[in-house]
Amino acid sequence: DQQVKQNSPSLSVQEGRISILNCDYTNSMFDYFLWYKKYPAEGPTFLISISSIKDKNEDGRFTVFLNKSAKHLSLHIVPSQPGDSAVYFCAARGQGGSEKLVFGKGTKLTVNP
Amino acid sequence: GAVVSQHPSWVICKSGTSVKIECRSLDFQATTMFWYRQFPKQSLMLMATSNEGSKATYEQGVEKDKFLINHASLTLSTLTVTSAHPEDSSFYICSEGFSTDTQYFGPGTRLTVL
Repeated sequence: DQQVKQNSPSLSVQEGRISILNCDYTNSMFDYFLWYKKYPAEGPTFLISISSIKDKNEDGRFTVFLNKSAKHLSLHIVPSQPGDSAVYFCAARGQGGSEKLVFGKGTKLTVNP
Repeated sequence: GAVVSQHPSWVICKSGTSVKIECRSLDFQATTMFWYRQFPKQSLMLMATSNEGSKATYEQGVEKDKFLINHASLTLSTLTVTSAHPEDSSFYICSEGFSTDTQYFGPGTRLTVL
């Protein structure tokens, strides 16, 4: 039973446009969400995170939105650049100080020049 | 710069042999490290939590006798895949859990069992 779902395995956008990556979760006990970027044969790199007490967090071109009632979060990249092409993983962390992360399957983003 | 390193980055072995993968925390004294496995087109799956000076905590379905974890120091955790079989071929990644808000991952180890 997948607790974190990324239903789009791939996404293709044009350079300069907005990329929107979506993530849904089922466990209402998750209190912290993270996005990681991963290149082939490399470990994931932390991108941005959001606490469940917030609904938006912004860092440069990257913004994460959280809709707790819908158990949905999204990552917006504006403007998209070819170097953003990678697999993006959504991850969630449980309450109680647990550092365990539950990952989605990832979405492969391709930004075309 | 990288805060977690892994060695080797890739390894090919014969079925039935054992393989050791090292995970080093470069910047922090990591009392906790995590070991993940990723099969192609799948998510990263947590295998076990490695605790310095104590036994590792394994996730459900992960055989502790097959995946031996040792965390003898604050900067080094090792994962040994014993009697490896082709179905163990995967991408193994460790992370350090010093940071409560994020986890920093190693570059991963690609294991291929022939």
